[in-house]
Amino acid sequence: NAGVTQTPKFQVLKTGQSMTLQCAQDMNHEYMSWYRQDPGMGLRLIHYSVGAGITDQGEVPNGYNVSRSTTEDFPLRLLSAAPSQTSVYFCAISRLGEGGNEQFFGPGTRLTVL
Amino acid sequence: AQSVAQPEDQVNVAEGNPLTVKCTYSVSGNPYLFWYVQYPNRGLQFLLKYITGDNLVKGSYGFEAEFNKSQTSFHLKKPSALVSDSALYFCAVRDRLLDNQGGKLIFGQGTELSVKP
Repeated sequence: NAGVTQTPKFQVLKTGQSMTLQCAQDMNHEYMSWYRQDPGMGLRLIHYSVGAGITDQGEVPNGYNVSRSTTEDFPLRLLSAAPSQTSVYFCAISRLGEGGNEQFFGPGTRLTVL
Repeated sequence: AQSVAQPEDQVNVAEGNPLTVKCTYSVSGNPYLFWYVQYPNRGLQFLLKYITGDNLVKGSYGFEAEFNKSQTSFHLKKPSALVSDSALYFCAVRDRLLDNQGGKLIFGQGTELSVKP
């Protein structure tokens, strides 16, 4: 039971390049989300999904796209990378229902955009 | 609007002394409150949560937190700090009125805890 996995662990991009950050889970949790972590700013929600076929925007969605075709996978796409997207990206999952469910986080992807 | 404030960027404590990491929140309804810990180059790990009931919540690694509704606070505490407790700590809140949005959490900016021998 791996929980939440993220690939790659590290990535360097040039401005304008595109890439997809992968997130997969084996816990069958309905809710999946992407955060970015920047120094002194905590974690900010990019996009989230409450189930397959359903996605919605978080606090900082610009420059990112997501899709949720299966319960297990929730990829995050950068269509044209910018230096402002240099950050550490975390995928998190949780059960739905009564709101006291905690989130489980992946190990993160450290992205640098030159 | 929901928000979380962690007023201290860094907390320094000597090993064996009690520690407190402060958190205050603002939500329109009643909150669910969480504490997470992040060790270097790792993801966040869940420590404890307040849902309802007893205002003093006990969690992993000897940590506890006290929910104070009148002061809208949820401070993290430990009676005796260890060097291994040194890490980045995040407080997070979710408004019960937004339960239909699943696990959507708002995080504070984090507090770096440093425990010296």
